[in-house]
Amino acid sequence: KNQVEQSPQSLIILEGKNCTLQCNYTVSPFSNLRWYKQDTGRGPVSLTIMTFSENTKSNGRYTATLDADTKQSSLHITASQLSDSASYICVVSYYTGNQFYFGTGTSLTVIP
Amino acid sequence: DGGITQSPKYLFRKEGQNVTLSCEQNLNHDAMYWYRQDPGQGLRLIYYSQIVNDFQKGDIAEGYSVSREKKESFPLTVTSAQKNPTAFYLCASSIPGQAYEQYFGPGTRLTVT
Repeated sequence: KNQVEQSPQSLIILEGKNCTLQCNYTVSPFSNLRWYKQDTGRGPVSLTIMTFSENTKSNGRYTATLDADTKQSSLHITASQLSDSASYICVVSYYTGNQFYFGTGTSLTVIP
Repeated sequence: DGGITQSPKYLFRKEGQNVTLSCEQNLNHDAMYWYRQDPGQGLRLIYYSQIVNDFQKGDIAEGYSVSREKKESFPLTVTSAQKNPTAFYLCASSIPGQAYEQYFGPGTRLTVT
């Protein structure tokens, strides 16, 4: 069964600290893996997208890694800011490109 | 939120009434999707459309209906047959094919009492 699991479910960190969110998936074969940021009550916004041949992608303070062999991805946030408080969702696309499997997200709270 | 708009942002309805949620995109994307988001759960696919005048049921289509008469528009009707309609609804669009990401609208929060 194709699944995407994220951990931790929730995380609280101090402003300025780094953190790493995890995504494990069983979707196979897969086309690409994306990380989204979703503010409360808003639609998800794309942070990074990686194909199966890429193993790292950065977007400012956000860096995503992908290990296609172990089917694991991580999202590293550097020097966190209060505005980073949001839910972070991992999405894996099936090889057809039109089937998407969503994780339940990690809720990040950054406190001053 | 890209080039996708959803309206209204908040919607309240009485039980037993049908309600239609609007989704419009100006990205010239062929594919459009409707998802439902509930607390503690991942997004679940309701319906999707790859091309005008064609759409497919997703994982939780019961109690919902859609139409795709124009490329830019993909309205979702929540019917009285949907047993638990209160949720956050998200519309998305994409270019069909590999490595193309989905762009999401801002969402509509529907409350049925």
